[in-house]
Amino acid sequence: QKEVEQDPGPLSVPEGAIVSLNCTYSNSAFQYFMWYRQYSRKGPELLMYTYSSGNKEDGRFTAQVDKSSKYISLFIRDSQPSDSATYLCAMISNTGKLIFGQGTTLQVKP
Amino acid sequence: GAGVSQSPRYKVTKRGQDVALRCDPISGHVSLYWYRQALGQGPEFLTYFNYEAQQDKSGLPNDRFSAERPEGSISTLTIQRTEQRDSAMYRCASSLGGRGEQYFGPGTRLTVT
Repeated sequence: QKEVEQDPGPLSVPEGAIVSLNCTYSNSAFQYFMWYRQYSRKGPELLMYTYSSGNKEDGRFTAQVDKSSKYISLFIRDSQPSDSATYLCAMISNTGKLIFGQGTTLQVKP
Repeated sequence: GAGVSQSPRYKVTKRGQDVALRCDPISGHVSLYWYRQALGQGPEFLTYFNYEAQQDKSGLPNDRFSAERPEGSISTLTIQRTEQRDSAMYRCASSLGGRGEQYFGPGTRLTVT
């Protein structure tokens, strides 16, 4: 079993839809949780960074962490075609290394 | 430069040759990370440094892979006696500190023929 599980999709939604992306993890020691966005042929770029359980909002993006369920989510409101990319969840282990999920490919259709 | 740079951007090599991939982190960033990313997968951790000290090399696949960061800035990932299965995108990232945001470079696409 992988430490971080993420449905690869692809996920296709119409413009303006609310998108929900999710990851589960197995290591209860993870405390720092991130969402990266990766456009085709580009490196990942950080979208959201959260510590411990709760919600964090930044514009159209909301990151949610539920440590009791070992489950994290990223919500995108009013999705735009420019949001089409691969979204990667990531977590920092207790040794400091970043462990990524497989990534979910999102396509927002105009 | 403003971001993480990597060179070469593309490398084609014959099986059995050694390759050296270079990463130049953002100036002042303490931590430097190496990842390998297969198509359709998330980056897979290889190793990381704080300053010049290699903190964790548990992700290096085997002893053909090594990395160094002798002066705490530029890092080199070396793959000896390359094999076809080593073909992948190799990404470098840097951060101000061990738990900080990691900024990724453009990657080196390695193809072993």
